[in-house]
Amino acid sequence: SQQGEEDPQALSIQEGENATMNCSYKTSINNLQWYRQNSGRGLVHLILIRSNEREKHSGRLRVTLDTSKKSSSLLITASRAADTASYFCATTGTASKLTFGTGTRLQVTL
Amino acid sequence: DAGVIQSPRHEVTEMGQEVTLRCKPISGHNSLFWYRQTMMRGLELLIYFNNNVPIDDSGMPEDRFSAKMPNASFSTLKIQPSEPRDSAVYFCASSLDGKETQYFGPGTRLLVL
Repeated sequence: SQQGEEDPQALSIQEGENATMNCSYKTSINNLQWYRQNSGRGLVHLILIRSNEREKHSGRLRVTLDTSKKSSSLLITASRAADTASYFCATTGTASKLTFGTGTRLQVTL
Repeated sequence: DAGVIQSPRHEVTEMGQEVTLRCKPISGHNSLFWYRQTMMRGLELLIYFNNNVPIDDSGMPEDRFSAKMPNASFSTLKIQPSEPRDSAVYFCASSLDGKETQYFGPGTRLLVL
C-alpha cells in the first residue's frame, strides 16, 4: 500500500515559474526522499531529508519536512522544460525499504 | 560505474509462458529491490534482499512470482505462468543500505498477450 500521497496529482506551469509539490505520510519515518521519473525511465534520486532535519537545499531544489504534520514539500525554483517529469516522495521507517507515494506529474511549458 | 543493469529491456510473451527478468546491482551495494509499476497501482515493492537474503516478500502478488539472489551481483524475478495482468514495467534498484538512496535500473517493460 502507498504510504505517501502527493498533492497535486498533476501540475502545469510555465518555464521560469516555481513548482511546489506536497507529500503526506502516515507513520513515523527515519527519512524522506524525493525521486524524479522521466517518461519511460527509471526513478532518479533527488534529495534525502532525515527526520531530525527541517529543510534541505540542493541546487534549485528545496525540501521541507514537518514531522508533526507528517508532511513534506518539494520546491523547484526557476523551472525548466527539462524538469517535466513525475515526482515521487518515499519514506523509510524501521524497515530497510522505501514506501513510495502516488506521484505528481509536472509539466513545464515554454 | 555502469549503474543498475536490467535485462531484457522489453519482453513480449504469451499468456502461460515463463518470464525471467534479470538484474545486476551496483557493485558494493548490499540491498536489492524489485518493484512493479502500472498506471492503476503505481509503484509497488515486490520483494527486497539484504546481503542476498530475502527480507520481505509480502509484496509478491502470488505463487506465480519468485525471486532469487544467488550472489551479490545477480538477481532474477521469475513469473511462471505469466498472465496478461502481469503486464507492467518491472524495476530493480540497489542501495548501500536499504534506508538510504536507491539507484534504479532502466526497467523491463513486460507485455503478456
